[in-house]
Amino acid sequence: EIVMTQSPATLSVSPGERATLSCRASQSVSSNLAWYQQKPGQAPRLLIYGASTRATGIPARFSGSGSGTEFTLTISSLQSEDFAVYYCQQYNNWPLVTFGQGTKLEIK
Amino acid sequence: QLQLQESGPGLVKPSETLSLTCTVSGGSISSSSYYWGWIRQPPGKGLEWIGSIYYSGSTYYNPSLKSRVTISVDTSKNQFSLKLSSVTAADTAVYYCARPYCTNGVCEEGWFDPWGQGTLVTVSS
Repeated sequence: EIVMTQSPATLSVSPGERATLSCRASQSVSSNLAWYQQKPGQAPRLLIYGASTRATGIPARFSGSGSGTEFTLTISSLQSEDFAVYYCQQYNNWPLVTFGQGTKLEIK
Repeated sequence: QLQLQESGPGLVKPSETLSLTCTVSGGSISSSSYYWGWIRQPPGKGLEWIGSIYYSGSTYYNPSLKSRVTISVDTSKNQFSLKLSSVTAADTAVYYCARPYCTNGVCEEGWFDPWGQGTLVTVSS
């Protein structure tokens, strides 16, 4: 099983600033990585797939980068609605997809 | 717009079988060409893929749960279901059903969207 490790566990950032979230895979997943946003009491929402492609309707302030084992989700200018938990997910080993443990993005 | 809705008991006793159904609206399981998934999330924790099913009934399961999981499909009702046997408190979680993401008419396995709203199942006597 491919283990996904996200850092930091919690990130405190002020509105309007940039947030950078990291995700590391225990082995190469090529570009087969997705990012999700989850708000309290809601299901996850797909933000990024293919490591860097935004899903339909996702604002341009969300961007993904990386390949192999190291990935980054960047939110360029944080809006109030962006404070949530973010998960990465690998699907290189489909159907055995695995998720990171999440990064909580909180208001500083 | 495709929607998924989970349903089933919110409380299950230890050692019994958890049973959930996902009802799909706004789209047809029988005309799909991808695997529909079940994913769970223990309270305050991360996400775990449970398994996936094709309209024909072909299934994949997470090896860590395989001995206890059965996923089935009923295309006449546009539903697919999850059964998890011999449950313990560790199976307490929000259970989601989900579909692979589709864009411009192309659906690719691997990442999920949309998801159902999720249903909390508590295992307790």
